[in-house]
Amino acid sequence: QKEVEQNSGPLSVPEGAIASLNCTYSDRGSQSFFWYRQYSGKSPELIMFIYSNGDKEDGRFTAQLNKASQYVSLLIRDSQPSDSATYLCAGTGFQKLVFGTGTRLLVSP
Amino acid sequence: KAGVTQTPRYLIKTRGQQVTLSCSPISGHRSVSWYQQTPGQGLQFLFEYFSETQRNKGNFPGRFSGRQFSNSRSEMNVSTLELGDSALYLCASSLGGTGGFVNNEQFFGPGTRLTVL
Repeated sequence: QKEVEQNSGPLSVPEGAIASLNCTYSDRGSQSFFWYRQYSGKSPELIMFIYSNGDKEDGRFTAQLNKASQYVSLLIRDSQPSDSATYLCAGTGFQKLVFGTGTRLLVSP
Repeated sequence: KAGVTQTPRYLIKTRGQQVTLSCSPISGHRSVSWYQQTPGQGLQFLFEYFSETQRNKGNFPGRFSGRQFSNSRSEMNVSTLELGDSALYLCASSLGGTGGFVNNEQFFGPGTRLTVL
């Protein structure tokens, strides 16, 4: 079992819709979770991180963490075609980040 | 503030050769981590350095090594290259410290694309 799991997708949503990206993790010792966006051929770009149970909002992005159920999610409101990318979820391990394999998001105009 | 820089950006080597990649972290960041990214395996952790000390190492063979200098710049070396080493090598910097990555965001450089022929 992978430590951080994501559905590879693609997740297709129309422009203006809410995109919901999910991630589950197996290490209960993980304390913080990070969401990165990676465009094809580019390096990962940090979107936001969360370490407390509940929701954390930043602009069009909302991260949600449920430690009891061991899942993390990222909501993207008013999705734009420019949001089309692979979204990577990562959890903290011992002196490292453990990444999921990413979910590909496609936003159609 | 300048971001993380990596050199070279592209590299072509042949099997059996060795290669050295360089990473300069964001000013003030003392932790540098290295990752290998391939289409099949995703982002795999190689190692992490903080204040010139390797604090953690991933499941890679001993052909993969690294070091960090007093100015926090880091290098990684791969000896006796194999075809399977073809990948995007990413380094990421963070403030580091005893808290590790908890609450410390990690910022990636543009990567070095290594092709082994």
